[in-house]
Amino acid sequence: KQEVTQIPAALSVPEGENLVLNCSFTDSAIYNLQWFRQDPGKGLTSLLLIQSSQREQTSGRLNASLDKSSGRSTLYIAASQPGDSATYLCAVGGNAGNMLTFGGGTRLMVKP
Amino acid sequence: DAGVIQSPRHEVTEMGQEVTLRCKPISGHDYLFWYRQTMMRGLELLIYFNNNVPIDDSGMPEDRFSAKMPNASFSTLKIQPSEPRDSAVYFCASTPIPGADTQYFGPGTRLTVL
Repeated sequence: KQEVTQIPAALSVPEGENLVLNCSFTDSAIYNLQWFRQDPGKGLTSLLLIQSSQREQTSGRLNASLDKSSGRSTLYIAASQPGDSATYLCAVGGNAGNMLTFGGGTRLMVKP
Repeated sequence: DAGVIQSPRHEVTEMGQEVTLRCKPISGHDYLFWYRQTMMRGLELLIYFNNNVPIDDSGMPEDRFSAKMPNASFSTLKIQPSEPRDSAVYFCASTPIPGADTQYFGPGTRLTVL
């Protein structure tokens, strides 16, 4: 059974810092990996989707990498802003991407 | 498009009552997913449908939970009878191609069972 772990569980940084969120998974036979953002009381918003054949994806200040063999992914946020404050969830897709297994999330606070 | 629509947004009920949560997926999305989010267990997949047919319900916690998708634009998740441990946020998500595209989540229904 796939298990997904995110470290740290919470992170507080001053505005402008570059930061890295970590995600690890136990079964390397994945179809894809996604990073989501969740604001309090809201649903999830997709940030980046990495297929198993890819190494990384970039969108604006966000860059996600995937190392399937070691069971790891990182989400890099450049020049953090207070608007980046949210919970970030990593989800590993198995079974042709139908079945997502989520990590526990990292709660990020960016202080002005 | 309005995105995935869920109703109600909040539901408070008493133990033993029947609860029905509703979801309207994005038009054209053939896959629909129901998730549950709690502090203790995080976000868990309960069941998913493809073209209105349930494909995998292995995440449904017990027989008190049931889900249906009578047509492409509507799905329900029913809990009967409800218990306090069912208190959680229930999300519905849809996608056109689960492997190649992301899942689009609704705002969720916060269920409280007293």
